[in-house]
Amino acid sequence: AQSVTQLGSHVSVSEGALVLLRCNYSSSVPPYLFWYVQYPNQGLQLLLKYTTGATLVKGINGFEAEFKKSETSFHLTKPSAHMSDAAEYFCAVSPSGGANSKLTFGKGITLSVRP
Amino acid sequence: GAGVSQSPSNKVTEKGKDVELRCDPISGHTALYWYRQSLGQGLEFLIYFQGNSAPDKSGLPSDRFSAERTGGSVSTLTIQRTQQEDSAVYLCASSSLAGGGYNEQFFGPGTRLTVL
Repeated sequence: AQSVTQLGSHVSVSEGALVLLRCNYSSSVPPYLFWYVQYPNQGLQLLLKYTTGATLVKGINGFEAEFKKSETSFHLTKPSAHMSDAAEYFCAVSPSGGANSKLTFGKGITLSVRP
Repeated sequence: GAGVSQSPSNKVTEKGKDVELRCDPISGHTALYWYRQSLGQGLEFLIYFQGNSAPDKSGLPSDRFSAERTGGSVSTLTIQRTQQEDSAVYLCASSSLAGGGYNEQFFGPGTRLTVL
């Protein structure tokens, strides 16, 4: 079975500061990895994903994440936070290969950005 | 083009009543997923449909929950004899299966269910 751990439920940063949201996964085989963002009263939006190839992946809005197999991690970073980044962020995994790509999500982290 | 739509956007019901939640996937998407987002459990997979294959029901929490997908398009999630712990946002997602590799799931806005 696959699982995702996102430590902590809330992160607060100052505008312009580095954003680091941690994600670790457990899977018997390397899965596909994702970060989703949910803005207040909106649906889930895919930020970025890792399936194969380059382990450093870039997503929308200046976010990027690095897949580290040895650490079973897929941490999300952004060099400089913007007020509009305030949202809830979910790390997720799905089986690699096969048609059924059901997602297993972490508990989510709420990001606050202070002016 | 149109995204995934869900109806109703909000549903308030009394404990013990049955409810039906509807999902209209993106046209041409053959895969459809239901998830539930609740305060206590986070985001959980419920059920997966793909074409005419038997659905993956492994995430349904109890036999009060069922889902159908008629004509390979619209899906309905039914909760019978609702309980207060069923209160959550129910999310639907769809994806195509064109080509190999991963096909992105596109999520609808969700239906917020409140059981009084």
